[in-house]
Amino acid sequence: DAGVTQSPTHLIKTRGQQVTLRCSPKSGHDTVSWYQQALGQGPQFIFQYYEEEERQRGNFPDRFSGHQFPNYSSELNVNALLLGDSALYLCASSLGQIQETQYFGPGTRLLVL
Amino acid sequence: AQSVTQLGSHVSVSEGALVLLRCNYSSSVPPYLFWYVQYPNQGLQLLLKYTTGATLVKGINGFEAEFKKSETSFHLTKPSAHMSDAAEYFCAVINQAGTALIFGKGTTLSVSS
Repeated sequence: DAGVTQSPTHLIKTRGQQVTLRCSPKSGHDTVSWYQQALGQGPQFIFQYYEEEERQRGNFPDRFSGHQFPNYSSELNVNALLLGDSALYLCASSLGQIQETQYFGPGTRLLVL
Repeated sequence: AQSVTQLGSHVSVSEGALVLLRCNYSSSVPPYLFWYVQYPNQGLQLLLKYTTGATLVKGINGFEAEFKKSETSFHLTKPSAHMSDAAEYFCAVINQAGTALIFGKGTTLSVSS
């Protein structure tokens, strides 16, 4: 049973560029959440996708956007990158019902220079 | 609003000693509480969770946590530390909508021989 997978594992970008991160949920899961974990901090919720729509959003600017595909996989897009966007980006999957346990992928480490 | 406070950013124990990692929460609704572990350069792994019912929750790798409503606490314990327990530990509470995890800042556990 495959767990949550993310790609790429590492990424280096420069300020002002755009980036796309990808996530495949755990088998049988239909909900994907994205979190940003800055160095030395706990993860912070960006948004959650269910049935191909954004169900809830955290306190992140519109530069952060996402998408969920019919196969439940998801993308996180960040435009106009800032140095402060450097972080580990974690994807978590769960079943559709709220309050279900979220299972995390290994993350994508983004460095913005 | 929901929040989590982890007391002690760094805890050091000797191999075989008791592990106690402290977590206090604030929640306007009955809380769903979680402990996750993060090994270096990896994603988060679920250790255990409390939803309803029994207040003493047993998790993987010999860890357990007790939900104490009167103290708004959910401390994580393990009777005997192993070297392999060295990692970052995060306490989390689910948000009011039931969609997102709200994490504490984490506690780094070091285990010495």
